[in-house]
Amino acid sequence: DVKVTQSSRYLVKRTGEKVFLECVQDMDHENMFWYRQDPGLGLRLIYFSYDVKMKEKGDIPEGYSVSREKKERFSLILESASTNQTSMYLCASRSQGARSYEQYFGPGTRLTVT
Amino acid sequence: GQSLEQPSEVTAVEGAIVQINCTYQTSGFYGLSWYQQHDGGAPTFLSYNALDGLEETGRFSSFLSRSDSYGYLLLQELQMKDSASYFCAVMGTYKYIFGTGTRLKVLA
Repeated sequence: DVKVTQSSRYLVKRTGEKVFLECVQDMDHENMFWYRQDPGLGLRLIYFSYDVKMKEKGDIPEGYSVSREKKERFSLILESASTNQTSMYLCASRSQGARSYEQYFGPGTRLTVT
Repeated sequence: GQSLEQPSEVTAVEGAIVQINCTYQTSGFYGLSWYQQHDGGAPTFLSYNALDGLEETGRFSSFLSRSDSYGYLLLQELQMKDSASYFCAVMGTYKYIFGTGTRLKVLA
């Protein structure tokens, strides 16, 4: 079974702190994604990566950056956390090969910025 | 821009059939998918339509009509455990665009 893990389920940070959210997948997937999920807004794509060291902006990249140094790991960085970044953050991965339409999600990190 | 519209909430009784609609405004995509998310859980893949028509997977079926920019998820023989949020999503070359989700409440 594909497994996508995220470093924390719950995180509380202060305004202005630098925040790292880590995501690891164990299925050798090429594509990895970071979403945030807010009530009534669905899943919004922040950044994605289709290969090691490659990254592309999603729909709401402002205030975020990402890093993908290894194929299995995709990190989301909040350079200076703000209260409007309080949200549920979901990491996902999917293959470029067979069943490339099937995206696998991690359990999510609920981040609160105070 | 690209957008997908779904009803925000649907309520049905156990054993019934429910249809969740998804209309989209987007150009050039490979297919339409559906995901289920229980409260506090991660979204999980349910179905994918690459072509127009109906795809059946057990109690769940999904339909796509590209000419009508429309799709739906059909859930039969509803069970309490089907209470969850359901998201439609269109798949592009690298990324998905997700709808805002439909919260399904199944009543006993």
